[in-house]
Amino acid sequence: NAGVTQTPKFQVLKTGQSMTLQCAQDMNHEYMSWYRQDPGMGLRLIHYSVGAGITDQGEVPNGYNVSRSTTEDFPLRLLSAAPSQTSVYFCASSYGYQPQHFGDGTRLSIL
Amino acid sequence: GQQVMQIPQYQHVQEGEDFTTYCNSSTTLSNIQWYKQRPGGHPVFLIQLVKSGEVKKQKRLTFQFGEAKKNSSLHITATQTTDVGTYFCAGYQGGKLIFGQGTELSVKP
Repeated sequence: NAGVTQTPKFQVLKTGQSMTLQCAQDMNHEYMSWYRQDPGMGLRLIHYSVGAGITDQGEVPNGYNVSRSTTEDFPLRLLSAAPSQTSVYFCASSYGYQPQHFGDGTRLSIL
Repeated sequence: GQQVMQIPQYQHVQEGEDFTTYCNSSTTLSNIQWYKQRPGGHPVFLIQLVKSGEVKKQKRLTFQFGEAKKNSSLHITATQTTDVGTYFCAGYQGGKLIFGQGTELSVKP
């Protein structure tokens, strides 16, 4: 059972570049979310989805886009990378309000 | 706005000492979840509390949910080096799972 799979694990970008962080889960969870983790800031919610075709903004959505075309996949897009988006990104999934299963994270550096 | 506050941010203890982290929400929560993140790892679910005044134990860990369902605490008795990591509380506010800032626990052997 793979659980929640995030790719890539590490990425370095230049300011202004765009990229997509991939997240896939094989547990048929309807609830998926993206968090960023910065020192002293905890986990901050970027975007979340309660099912295919439904997405909503979290606490820090600016600069990020998401889509949910299937139950399994929830990609996060950085439109024009900025140094302030250097962070560790976690994807998570769950059944409704049940415990979250997290991926291993993507460590992103923007120069 | 919607917030989940957690204190302290850091706690350094000697092995064998007790440890407590506190979580407070600006709104009433339907439930509260606790997670542990080891250094370099991802958050891992520990427990969920649902009922007002609920107390749950996992070996040396004791979790409490306040009567008003707006605060919670995690207490570790006689810490061990394996307890090292960051402990997060999280609660649903407006359909969004919001995490506290976390308490980073270090344990000196």
